[in-house]
Amino acid sequence: DIQMTQSSSYLSVSLGGRVTITCKASDHINNWLAWYQQKPGNAPRLLISGATSLETGVPSRFSGSGSGKDYTLSITSLQTEDVATYYCQQYWSTPRTFGGGTKLEIK
Amino acid sequence: EVQLQQSGPELVKPGASVKISCKASGYSFTGYYMHWVKQSHVKSLEWIGRINPYNGATSYNQNFKDKASLTVDKSSSTAYMELHSLTSEDSAVYYCARSGTHAMDYWGQGTSVTVSS
Repeated sequence: DIQMTQSSSYLSVSLGGRVTITCKASDHINNWLAWYQQKPGNAPRLLISGATSLETGVPSRFSGSGSGKDYTLSITSLQTEDVATYYCQQYWSTPRTFGGGTKLEIK
Repeated sequence: EVQLQQSGPELVKPGASVKISCKASGYSFTGYYMHWVKQSHVKSLEWIGRINPYNGATSYNQNFKDKASLTVDKSSSTAYMELHSLTSEDSAVYYCARSGTHAMDYWGQGTSVTVSS
């Protein structure tokens, strides 16, 4: 199984600031990487697929990058509605696996 | 509008089974895989498996191979997951989510399963 590691389980960022969330796969996943946002009491919401492709309706302050084993989700101009837990997930191989999540809070 | 409507919360006794449903609407049910994902405080998000509603073909996470059974009813555009021999470790929120060959783009609202005597 491919292990997905999000090194930060918690991040605190100022309103209007920029944050980068990292995700490392235990093997190459050829950009078959998704980022999800989950707010308390809600299901995960797909933000980015293919490592860099923003889903329809997702604000442009979100962006994804990376290749090989290493990927990042960046959020610029942080808003209060961005407070959530963010998960990466690989879909290169089964079983599909998720990172442990990064909880984002406002400083 | 794509919607995945899951059945309500379940309280079940240890050793019992439970069957959760996920009714799809707003898209061609047989054109997308249906996945099931477990969320617990212990292990965050875990992929249980997926089913192809077109032909019923399944793929399971080995960790859930003996725990979960995935089926569909094409006539009602509904996917089902049955969980067997429940223990406290199965207490969690379970989600259905659809995908093409890629990421899971629409998710159900989740079904809480509590295993308790």
